Amino acid sequence: NAGVMQNPRHLVRRRGQEARLRCSPMKGHSHVYWYRQLPEEGLKFMVYLQKENIIDESGMPKERFSAEFPKEGPSILRIQQVVRGDSAAYFCASSPGQGAKFFGPGTRLTVL
Amino acid sequence: DQQVKQNSPSLSVQEGRISILNCDYTNSMFDYFLWYKKYPAEGPTFLISISSIKDKNEDGRFTVFLNKSAKHLSLHIVPSQPGDSAVYFCAASERGNTPLVFGKGTRLSVIA
Repeated sequence: NAGVMQNPRHLVRRRGQEARLRCSPMKGHSHVYWYRQLPEEGLKFMVYLQKENIIDESGMPKERFSAEFPKEGPSILRIQQVVRGDSAAYFCASSPGQGAKFFGPGTRLTVL
Repeated sequence: DQQVKQNSPSLSVQEGRISILNCDYTNSMFDYFLWYKKYPAEGPTFLISISSIKDKNEDGRFTVFLNKSAKHLSLHIVPSQPGDSAVYFCAASERGNTPLVFGKGTRLSVIA
């Protein structure tokens, strides 16, 4: 039973480019959460999605960031016109509903 | 305003002794608490959880204690092993499937 999958593991973008981060939840999990970790910081919640619905996006920056979790395929976190401050580790977690969330290995985004 | 606080950035313990990691929270609506362990360049790994109806939960070498009146929880690891060296994050949520709020983590070093 595969865990949460994230790709790519490492992503390098130049300022102004777009970054797309993918997350495939564990089998049977319909709840997906995205978190961001800046250096020497804890994980900060960004967005919570269920299939085809955004449940809570209170942690998402108002501009340039968007997320989706389509009926088929992985959840996508999209960052448009990246800036250096977007450099961070982005983690996806999934759960079947209530209870513990299980995290993927993360995508490390570096903006040059 | 940090709702979950881990006031010790680091902790060193000798192999075989007990490790005690502490966590305080301010939101009285939190009713589910978790501990995660994180190695560098990996995602957080779920360790143990406790709901607010209990004051203790044990799983092998790991025990979590919850003191609701003090809004404090702790993770005990006994006996500590070198492989336990990692960053430990405390997390909390208001209901089982709401997003987790994380502390900044405590780096545990277990010295052989």
